[in-house]
Amino acid sequence: EVQLLESGGGLIQPGGSLRLSCAASGFTFSDYAVTWVRQTPGKGLEWVSTISPSGGNTYNADAVKGRFTISRDNSKSTMYLQMNSLRAEDTAVYFCAKVIRGNLVAFDIWGQGTVVTVSS
Amino acid sequence: QSALTQPASVSGSPGQSITISCTGTSSDVGGYNYVSWYQQHPGKAPKLMIYDVNNRPSGVSSRFSGSKSANTASLTISGLQAEDEADYYCGSYRNSGTYVFGTGTKVTVL
Repeated sequence: EVQLLESGGGLIQPGGSLRLSCAASGFTFSDYAVTWVRQTPGKGLEWVSTISPSGGNTYNADAVKGRFTISRDNSKSTMYLQMNSLRAEDTAVYFCAKVIRGNLVAFDIWGQGTVVTVSS
Repeated sequence: QSALTQPASVSGSPGQSITISCTGTSSDVGGYNYVSWYQQHPGKAPKLMIYDVNNRPSGVSSRFSGSKSANTASLTISGLQAEDEADYYCGSYRNSGTYVFGTGTKVTVL
């Protein structure tokens, strides 16, 4: 079964750091780009970052540039999101998703999400 | 990065057809055939329903169809069923290597 499983969410103070992980199974992880999407409570979806299959190319939303870093370890079939200088507006459910093909076409497999709360 | 524009809500009776619009610009919806649609039930992860404007992933009902004209994409749900009640989001590639979602539409089955 194709599956993505996020972990690493939690409560963190403003200005703090957190690293999210996304473990993949059921498909050849190194063949596909993967992405992070977040959803603020009661609000819509917001694209955050995408990383190419090899990890050589990354794409980031303006809202997180310079603060978040996406990476992947194909030997572990795992993607990461290092989040620094966290702000209250980063509070959201963070989903990881597999890109159907290319780097930014569409997202066909989603994890269940992990909750990040930024609050003092 | 401004979101694509969708109506806040759309409703219909069982068996009817409804259409959800998604308006962007020539930098996203109008400039590329990379429009996708996602269904999200409360407390669940989004599910891809349409990609590349009008392609359905395996397992998605043929009652769901997509189209595009200029800067506006549309999702049509025909033969509306109770299980179709959910939030729907469009998404599109945007130039300069980014992706943008729509504002979301709540579909209510009357």
